[in-house]
Amino acid sequence: DQQVKQNSPSLSVQEGRISILNCDYTNSMFDYFLWYKKYPAEGPTFLISISSIKDKNEDGRFTVFLNKSAKHLSLHIVPSQPGDSAVYFCAASVVGNEKLTFGTGTRLTIIP
Amino acid sequence: GAVVSQHPSRVICKSGTSVKIECRSLDFQATTMFWYRQFPKQSLMLMATSNEGSKATYEQGVEKDKFLINHASLTLSTLTVTSAHPEDSSFYICSARDQKERGFQETQYFGPGTRLLVL
Repeated sequence: DQQVKQNSPSLSVQEGRISILNCDYTNSMFDYFLWYKKYPAEGPTFLISISSIKDKNEDGRFTVFLNKSAKHLSLHIVPSQPGDSAVYFCAASVVGNEKLTFGTGTRLTIIP
Repeated sequence: GAVVSQHPSRVICKSGTSVKIECRSLDFQATTMFWYRQFPKQSLMLMATSNEGSKATYEQGVEKDKFLINHASLTLSTLTVTSAHPEDSSFYICSARDQKERGFQETQYFGPGTRLLVL
């Protein structure tokens, strides 16, 4: 039972444009969401997070949007840069519980 | 920044042998470490939570006698795959929490992973 889903396994975006990565979840108990970025042969690194009490969190070029009613979140990267090419994982958790439930990842390729 | 290392990065072994994977926090102390497994084109699945000085907590469906976890120090956790079989071939990745940063979900620092191939 995949509780966190990233339905797009890959995405290609022109450099300078906006990249939008999507994530859906089914477990209504989740109240904290994170995005991780992973380069080949490296572990995932934390990018940005959002609590369910918010619908938007912004950090530089990265913005995460949360739609609780739709159980959907998205990561916006603007402007996209070549160094953003990586696999992006969405993860969800319940505040106070250390466990993270990950999506399957989306491979983002930024085209120069 | 916080660094987590894993060793080995890649291992090939024969069916029936045991393989040990080390996970180290290099510049911080980790009272809690996590072990994940990732099959191709699937998500990272939590296998177990390892707490320093106590027994690991395994997720449902993970055989504790097959995947032995030892967290003997604040900087080292080991995962031993006992009597490995081809179906255990996977990508194993650990993460560690800095004990000074309790309460913040994002402070799981991940290792680079270990690719296990059982022939």
